[in-house]
Amino acid sequence: GEQVEQRPPHLSVREGDSAVITCTYTDPNSYYFFWYKQEPGASLQLLMKVFSSTEINEGQGFTVLLNKKDKRLSLNLTAAHPGDSAAYFCAVKTGANTGKLTFGHGTILRVHP
Amino acid sequence: DTTVKQNPRYKLARVGKPVNLICSQTMNHDTMYWYQKKPNQAPKLLLFYYDKILNREADTFEKFQSSRPNNSFCSLYIGSAGLEYSAMYLCASSRRDNQDTQYFGPGTRLLVL
Repeated sequence: GEQVEQRPPHLSVREGDSAVITCTYTDPNSYYFFWYKQEPGASLQLLMKVFSSTEINEGQGFTVLLNKKDKRLSLNLTAAHPGDSAAYFCAVKTGANTGKLTFGHGTILRVHP
Repeated sequence: DTTVKQNPRYKLARVGKPVNLICSQTMNHDTMYWYQKKPNQAPKLLLFYYDKILNREADTFEKFQSSRPNNSFCSLYIGSAGLEYSAMYLCASSRRDNQDTQYFGPGTRLLVL
């Protein structure tokens, strides 16, 4: 089945610096990709969903890059601020008839003032 | 309202005793999921209901049961808790016409002693 590897497990950056989190996946049939953010004590909140036909998506303060050839998905927080401190999870959907997501292990991001 | 609710938020159980966790959503989502998350591990899908059809993952088939009495509610049942069941249990829901984007509840933290 699908396997998703997420790196790094922990990331510490200064305010204003960029932070990059990367996931690689194994199943070439995967076609929906998701990034979730989880603040302490809160639910996983959807940051962005990316489809197989999209390579770059820009959100508020972050960019998601999908490289289908390398089976790599990345989240780039362009100018991190302390409010970005949270756990981030990538998730990959494989299979048209199920909603099954395979998650990465998560990245704990700390943004220091 | 994209809220998924879970009760209780914290649960203490004794080894060998049953555990019943509850999830609800009012978004009229056709699919509801249960994940298990342990520290430093990825959320792991246990089972999901598509409408009234239950799908359980092969490697946890015998450990967890579920029921969905109506569209809004879904339970996760452990018949006899073991120490290894201590984890965070996440409920999520989605709708097929929204690319199965999953919305998560805050989780129930289960501690088995």
